[in-house]
Amino acid sequence: DGGITQSPKYLFRKEGQNVTLSCEQNLNHDAMYWYRQDPGQGLRLIYYSQIVNDFQKGDIAEGYSVSREKKESFPLTVTSAQKNPTAFYLCASSMVGPDTQYFGPGTRLTVL
Amino acid sequence: KNEVEQSPQNLTAQEGEFITINCSYSVGISALHWLQQHPGGGIVSLFMLSSGKKKHGRLIATINIQEKHSSLHITASHPRDSAVYICAVTSKTTGSARQLTFGSGTQLTVLP
Repeated sequence: DGGITQSPKYLFRKEGQNVTLSCEQNLNHDAMYWYRQDPGQGLRLIYYSQIVNDFQKGDIAEGYSVSREKKESFPLTVTSAQKNPTAFYLCASSMVGPDTQYFGPGTRLTVL
Repeated sequence: KNEVEQSPQNLTAQEGEFITINCSYSVGISALHWLQQHPGGGIVSLFMLSSGKKKHGRLIATINIQEKHSSLHITASHPRDSAVYICAVTSKTTGSARQLTFGSGTQLTVLP
């Protein structure tokens, strides 16, 4: 089945550690996105990529890094520089141009 | 002031009631999206519209471009409709990048 997957569903990390969240899609979409969701707030864009080997910062990119080496994959690394990383992270993909975004199930990251 | 405002923030209804959720935005847009987020966190796209009205089952979405306003209606509501409903817009200023700006969501609870 075509879709977008994220792993793991729940992730715990100690302060000072980097952690990488996985996002994979088999929808043949060119564009991929990472969002962060905090309680009571709208989703905020961290990074997006419209094509392999290219990506752009979103509104809250500080403390995060991404790579897009393959069309299907867009991993997000939450670095120790991110001051408040505990949040729900959602990955999405779409065709480039006006189109619906398809969301993954999300990863809930908790920093202990 | 947020670019996308939703009302109400919380809504409780009895099963069978007609429900309306409102979304106002302050920027020129190329499209408006209605999304549904289930308690587990997964997000599903319900509608993408740039004019007029769309219907899918018991869900109806309308948009008034001149007034910068959209509504999501649910007819004959059911407890399984309980979820967070999110309005998002694709701003014209973002050009080809499919960045979405999200409202903070409306928590709908339908009681049996």
